[in-house]
Amino acid sequence: DQQVKQNSPSLSVQEGRISILNCDYTNSMFDYFLWYKKYPAEGPTFLISISSIKDKNEDGRFTVFLNKSAKHLSLHIVPSQPGDSAVYFCAASAFRRSGNTPLVFGKGTRLSVIA
Amino acid sequence: KAGVTQTPRYLIKTRGQQVTLSCSPISGHRSVSWYQQTPGQGLQFLFEYFSETQRNKGNFPGRFSGRQFSNSRSEMNVSTLELGDSALYLCASSLTTDRAYEQYFGPGTRLTVT
Repeated sequence: DQQVKQNSPSLSVQEGRISILNCDYTNSMFDYFLWYKKYPAEGPTFLISISSIKDKNEDGRFTVFLNKSAKHLSLHIVPSQPGDSAVYFCAASAFRRSGNTPLVFGKGTRLSVIA
Repeated sequence: KAGVTQTPRYLIKTRGQQVTLSCSPISGHRSVSWYQQTPGQGLQFLFEYFSETQRNKGNFPGRFSGRQFSNSRSEMNVSTLELGDSALYLCASSLTTDRAYEQYFGPGTRLTVT
């Protein structure tokens, strides 16, 4: 049972345009969402996160949108740059009094930004 | 500040052997989590340690085990290796359990089982 889904295995975007990566989740207990970027032969790098009390969080070229009713979040990269080419993972967690639940990751979307 | 370090970076073992992987978290980070990444399954959670105690465990067989030392360094062990254990093993650290959401990953150990 995949609780976090990234339905697009790959995405190609031209340099300078917007990249939109999507993520869906099924567990309504999730209240914190993160995006990670991964280059080959490196560990994932934290990009941006959002709490369920917000519907948008922005950090430079990266914006994450959260639609709780649809259980959907998206990462927008504007403008896209060739250095953004990587695999992007969506992850989710839930708060519990005993501690946060482990991150649950989607299977990733490979973004290719074409110069 | 130095990042998360993992040793070794690459490892080749044969079926039936056991292996120990090591992880040194970012200085001051007390929570360490381990993940297995395979092409078909993505990143799957193995276990999490905080203050030398296992706080969470993923859905992996008992052949996979781990521990954390008083200096927060962590090791994971896989016994009786199987071909399907070939994967990238990632370690991630975070400041406290309250901020466990934001985990910082090491480069991983690439394990190949032949």
